[in-house]
Order: sequence, then C-alpha cells, then structure tokens
Amino acid sequence: GQQLNQSPQSMFIQEGEDVSMNCTSSSIFNTWLWYKQEPGEGPVLLIALYKAGELTSNGRLTAQFGITRKDSFLNISASIPSDVGIYFCAGGYTGANSKLTFGKGITLSVRP
Amino acid sequence: NAGVMQNPRHLVRRRGQEARLRCSPMKGHSHVYWYRQLPEEGLKFMVYLQKENIIDESGMPKERFSAEFPKEGPSILRIQQVVRGDSAAYFCASSPDRGQTQYFGPGTRLLVL
Repeated sequence: GQQLNQSPQSMFIQEGEDVSMNCTSSSIFNTWLWYKQEPGEGPVLLIALYKAGELTSNGRLTAQFGITRKDSFLNISASIPSDVGIYFCAGGYTGANSKLTFGKGITLSVRP
Repeated sequence: NAGVMQNPRHLVRRRGQEARLRCSPMKGHSHVYWYRQLPEEGLKFMVYLQKENIIDESGMPKERFSAEFPKEGPSILRIQQVVRGDSAAYFCASSPDRGQTQYFGPGTRLLVL
C-alpha cells in the first residue's frame, strides 16, 4: 500500500530556532496536508496544499507542495514552546478516492 | 461553529463486548471518514461515508467492524466482539464535499481489557 515517509521520528530544537520537516512518497498525490496533534487530542489542520509547486504560509508556518507531487515540506520559524507536538503529513486526492494517507509523524520538542 | 464531535472520548470494554463510537460532523458537512491510530503510529484510513451511503470501506477489517451514517443523527462505528488488538484511538473527520479538506474530531480512545 501507499506509504508516506517522515523522518527522523523525533526532533529536538532550541526555542527561537527554525525547523524543517520533509515528507516523501512513492506515489503521486494531488493534495498535501500538514496536521499537528497534541496528547489526547485529534489532529489539527495547519496547512492544506492543492497545487504542485504551491508555497503557502500560516503565521510562522510555511509549507510547499513538491513539483513532482511526491513530496512536501513544512517549515516552522522562530519556534516557541507551544510548537511542541506531533506533526503529520497526509496525502490525498480530490477525486473519488478521498481517503488520506498519513506519515508516522515527527515528534517535535522545543527547549526553552 | 462547533467542530467535529466524537463521543465517548474514552471507552473501556471487556473482550467479547461491543463498542459503539459516535461522530457528529461539522455543520454543513455531509462527508465522514473514520481513521484508526495505534500508539506511535500515523492514522490509518478505515471507511468513508456520505449520508446513508458507504463510499469506500477498503480500510475496514472484513469481520466485526461496521459503519453507518444515517439520514438523521451521527455516524456510528461499531465493533462487535472486541479483542485486545482493537485497543486504539479512533478518529472521525468530516468535509463539506468529496475530496475537500478533512477536519478531525478529538477521537475516542478504546481500551479492551
């Protein structure tokens, strides 16, 4: 089946630093989404991308939809303690097959 | 503008019992998706429903699991004769139309003793 690869499993950064996360796939998707999950909660949508090459920002977050449609990255600038959580990428389609395929997530820790 | 609602948030069942998980989509959303998350894993798709119809159930186990989304009321994910391996977090998401952005609920954490 399809798989999305996110690595490393964990990242540790200092408050104020920037961090970049990649997500790669063996298959093409025509939508890419980034979600953040905190303990005991559901995934919260951060950024949705619908077009190859698209670069979208949401506050300190920036994400890009790769030209090949097989990858995406998420960048967090000037990290703060509340950025702690698990960041998931998900690939999907806008056609009949609407299910999302998720990566295993990256756990981000921010040292004050 | 309430988000996706799920209840219960936590559910404990003994092996062999039935588990019923409920999901009310966001207002105006008629498409519902169920996903399962095992510890330290990503979410895995189970089933996609539109009002009164199952659109895609390719991720559902063939036995003991069923889902419905009636004309009135919440979507229900039903697990019969639960086993320990069913212990997981079950998330529901909704979207206003096919292929549009999915918004997730807080999940139901099922523990089978």
